[in-house]
Amino acid sequence: AQSVAQPEDQVNVAEGNPLTVKCTYSVSGNPYLFWYVQYPNRGLQFLLKYITGDNLVKGSYGFEAEFNKSQTSFHLKKPSALVSDSALYFCAVNRGGGSQGNLIFGKGTKLSVKP
Amino acid sequence: KAGVTQTPRYLIKTRGQQVTLSCSPISGHRSVSWYQQTPGQGLQFLFEYFSETQRNKGNFPGRFSGRQFSNSRSEMNVSTLELGDSALYLCASSSSSGRKDTQYFGPGTRLTVL
Repeated sequence: AQSVAQPEDQVNVAEGNPLTVKCTYSVSGNPYLFWYVQYPNRGLQFLLKYITGDNLVKGSYGFEAEFNKSQTSFHLKKPSALVSDSALYFCAVNRGGGSQGNLIFGKGTKLSVKP
Repeated sequence: KAGVTQTPRYLIKTRGQQVTLSCSPISGHRSVSWYQQTPGQGLQFLFEYFSETQRNKGNFPGRFSGRQFSNSRSEMNVSTLELGDSALYLCASSSSSGRKDTQYFGPGTRLTVL
């Protein structure tokens, strides 16, 4: 069965420091991986995705993610955190093959950036 | 382009009632998916529609249903509401139904069942 794990419920970072939000996945076939961010009382905003090719994916707001096939991971990173990055982050996978496109989400990681 | 819109934004219903939520996708998008978000279960897939056909369905009881119209707008209906149906219901649209496509989410409808 397909699954996504976000091992940390919360990540605390000081403003200006690098941040990492972890994600691992379990899927048969080629994984298509996504990161979304959710601010309070809002829907999900798309940050970036990995389909194929370069393992380092760059996305919105200075975020990037590194796909590691051997470790089945897709960690979200940012070199310098901002207070405004504080939000709930979701990793999601959509298994490759076929035409049906539903996302399987991790439980989410709350990122808190302190000034 | 305007984003995904969902109406209403907030709803309060009582047990046993039914509710209909509406979603208008991004112009040109033909696929609409619905998700339920709760603190306990997280984000769970309900169903996906593409060109007025349900292409995929999650593990929810038959009380949850949906449809898509020829203009790609979608509605979901929940009958015989239960307290556990209280959740944020999110609609997402994408240009096609492929797994590589990015799904863009609306702001959600917050349903409270009393």
